[in-house]
Amino acid sequence: DQQVKQNSPSLSVQEGRISILNCDYTNSMFDYFLWYKKYPAEGPTFLISISSIKDKNEDGRFTVFLNKSAKHLSLHIVPSQPGDSAVYFCAAGIGGSEKLVFGKGTKLTVNP
Amino acid sequence: DAGITQSPRHKVTETGTPVTLRCHQTENHRYMYWYRQDPGHGLRLIHYSYGVKDTDKGEVSDGYSVSRSKTEDFLLTLESATSSQTSVYFCAISTGLLDYGYTFGSGTRLTVV
Repeated sequence: DQQVKQNSPSLSVQEGRISILNCDYTNSMFDYFLWYKKYPAEGPTFLISISSIKDKNEDGRFTVFLNKSAKHLSLHIVPSQPGDSAVYFCAAGIGGSEKLVFGKGTKLTVNP
Repeated sequence: DAGITQSPRHKVTETGTPVTLRCHQTENHRYMYWYRQDPGHGLRLIHYSYGVKDTDKGEVSDGYSVSRSKTEDFLLTLESATSSQTSVYFCAISTGLLDYGYTFGSGTRLTVV
């Protein structure tokens, strides 16, 4: 009964191209969605978030899209850089609950 | 990461021994969390705290206990370590505003032999 699903364990893209990481959720009560990036031997770091009142949020090369009817969100990285190679976790939460549920992660490799 | 430290960073312990991991923050955040990360499972919540002496269970709390006697410290105790508790443990802090997310520590790699 995974509430947050990242169905692609890994993704490989060429430097300069677009990386698209996907995430699906099952709980319609979720109203906050976040992406974290994790390098080996380090803790996850917050990347970008979106609330359910929006369908898009941008921060530099990173854009998160939210499709509430499909219960789907995606993270676009344009252009991809080798330093973006990391594991990306999708997370979701309900405002007022103070808890986040994380997906299993997608390992992104950006090839030079 | 700045404002949150975990200790120890690495630990090897024997099955059946008690182990305590420490999380210390200097941000004065109300909420603190313990997660474990395992291959194929991502990050799973063990316990969390919403204030001094106020704690609650997460999805994988069996075999773990926590204590928070001060705002800045959140301790995770494995009462009797088992091999299934070999994992990387992350502490996180939060203001409670989900759109700002959590700040995670650097993790503790625990090996139970």
